[in-house]
Amino acid sequence: GAVVSQHPSRVICKSGTSVKIECRSLDFQATTMFWYRQFPKQSLMLMATSNEGSKATYEQGVEKDKFLINHASLTLSTLTVTSAHPEDSSFYICSASSAGRETQYFGPGTRLLVL
Amino acid sequence: AQKITQTQPGMFVQEKEAVTLDCTYDTSDQSYGLFWYKQPSSGEMIFLIYQGSYDEQNATEGRYSLNFQKARKSANLVISASQLGDSAMYFCAMRERGFQKLVFGTGTRLLVSP
Repeated sequence: GAVVSQHPSRVICKSGTSVKIECRSLDFQATTMFWYRQFPKQSLMLMATSNEGSKATYEQGVEKDKFLINHASLTLSTLTVTSAHPEDSSFYICSASSAGRETQYFGPGTRLLVL
Repeated sequence: AQKITQTQPGMFVQEKEAVTLDCTYDTSDQSYGLFWYKQPSSGEMIFLIYQGSYDEQNATEGRYSLNFQKARKSANLVISASQLGDSAMYFCAMRERGFQKLVFGTGTRLLVSP
């Protein structure tokens, strides 16, 4: 299977600061990357879909000004949580797919704790 | 309406036995894909198996097989010869034609006992 990395794996920050999470496809070109959020004991909720070189498409209810997504290259997408608040504390996980592939491959996830 | 339904919040199985995790889906599309992912306590999502709606054979990957019943809109995951390392959350997901995104079910927590 394809390998997707995510960094950092865990981050603790103060309320009001911004946090950037990186998602990289290590052995394939990811034409599309996805960002999910998962609360404890719940399923994954898609936040946004990003195609390389295009603006991200956000799901209903997701604030695009708060969750900034950049997909500038075929191997890297970033999610920036701006002015983070305690309610943004969650598990954020990215996935990547490429043209012609049916499967999305997931990164290991980032646990964000906002104090 | 839920597009993906997993009715078993938790399942128990003894080591070396087989277990079936249920998944039903709802779509009006003729072309779609069905996926199963495993999520251990570490949080990563591990791809297990894929079934395309036009695939005539049930998908198999090692100890994993997908019991695909198109008319019933079910895509159950069968794990043969369970191992302790199979204890995890299992998510069923669907991708409809024309959409890039996956829709996930609520998951089933599997516990394998010695």
